[in-house]
Amino acid sequence: KNQVEQSPQSLIILEGKNCTLQCNYTVSPFSNLRWYKQDTGRGPVSLTIMTFSENTKSNGRYTATLDADTKQSSLHITASQLSDSASYICVVSGSPYSGGGADGLTFGKGTHLIIQP
Amino acid sequence: EAGVAQSPRYKIIEKRQSVAFWCNPISGHATLYWYQQILGQGPKLLIQFQNNGVVDDSQLPKDRFSAERLKGVDSTLKIQPAKLEDSAVYLCASSSPRGAGELFFGEGSRLTVL
Repeated sequence: KNQVEQSPQSLIILEGKNCTLQCNYTVSPFSNLRWYKQDTGRGPVSLTIMTFSENTKSNGRYTATLDADTKQSSLHITASQLSDSASYICVVSGSPYSGGGADGLTFGKGTHLIIQP
Repeated sequence: EAGVAQSPRYKIIEKRQSVAFWCNPISGHATLYWYQQILGQGPKLLIQFQNNGVVDDSQLPKDRFSAERLKGVDSTLKIQPAKLEDSAVYLCASSSPRGAGELFFGEGSRLTVL
């Protein structure tokens, strides 16, 4: 059964600090891995999409890494800001099609991040 | 570029009543998805459309949920009759036809069933 496990479930850090969120998956076949940010009461917004051949991808202060051998990914947030308070969802595409598309997605439950001033 | 539009944003109904949600995807996106997100969990796919055809509705509770996309653009998700466990946020998303298929979500429709 395809699964995506995220840790920690929740995290509280002080503004300006860095943090790393973890994602382990057992999805096969693997096409791509995505990280989404979901603010409270809003829809998820894409941060990064990584295919099998990509080890790291950055989007501003967000840097995602992927180890396809160990089936692990991480999302590192640098110099956190109050606006980073949100849920971060790891999503893996198991679509057999080249590039994956948005089909066959398995969602994690998310990590709830709170940035304190 | 306009995003995915959904309405209503909030709906409160009593169990056994019916409710309908509307979604307008990003222009040019042929693929449209409806997800159910229960508090504290990740979204769960209910149904996927490609133009006006259904690609995947394996997790749609068909005894009470229905969805249509008649002209291949707007879509409606209906629940009839609603149960307490249907309380959730219903997210509509559309997919870009290029590359890895980036998924764009609407703001969601929050349903509370009393």
